[in-house]
Amino acid sequence: DAGVIQSPRHEVTEMGQEVTLRCKPISGHDYLFWYRQTMMRGLELLIYFNNNVPIDDSGMPEDRFSAKMPNASFSTLKIQPSEPRDSAVYFCASSFYPGDGYGYTFGSGTRLTVV
Amino acid sequence: KQEVTQIPAALSVPEGENLVLNCSFTDSAIYNLQWFRQDPGKGLTSLLLIQSSQREQTSGRLNASLDKSSGRSTLYIAASQPGDSATYLCAVRGGSEKLVFGKGTKLTVNP
Repeated sequence: DAGVIQSPRHEVTEMGQEVTLRCKPISGHDYLFWYRQTMMRGLELLIYFNNNVPIDDSGMPEDRFSAKMPNASFSTLKIQPSEPRDSAVYFCASSFYPGDGYGYTFGSGTRLTVV
Repeated sequence: KQEVTQIPAALSVPEGENLVLNCSFTDSAIYNLQWFRQDPGKGLTSLLLIQSSQREQTSGRLNASLDKSSGRSTLYIAASQPGDSATYLCAVRGGSEKLVFGKGTKLTVNP
């Protein structure tokens, strides 16, 4: 298995532009999570899906952020319009349904810079 | 609301030393606890996962323990090497399936 695949690895965009981050979870995983990492706040959960359905989006900072999971093998996180304070590393992770023996597998992340 | 704390925030040790990283959490109703390693500019690599019914897990020079009742976990690294230098993150998974992270301990092992 190739693991959780995120694209792009790096994204530099101008303030006000739309940004779309992509994630392919591990096949068979029921849960998909989007996290954001900054120096100040560490890793924060933005939203997670179970069987393609958004379960908890309470971590999404503003209406400028939206996430979709149209099928079991693909998810997007969109920011529109982007702002400099959105600059961070965005991670996607996937997991099986919790039996307590299952952990998360993270992708390599997308480093977003908004100038 | 679950909160995870890691102490110390940074640690510098000479090569060969045995060391312990600490993690505490406020809500003991967890499914599991996972330790991750993160190298600068890189993603998260899972090191060890301890299920709620377990007390410890071992992998090579790493040993992680879990005491649910006291809300604590430790990561023990034996015979540290410069290649162990990284940030180590502790995360707990609770009933909501969310993984809540500590802010990490940045470890530097000096040759």
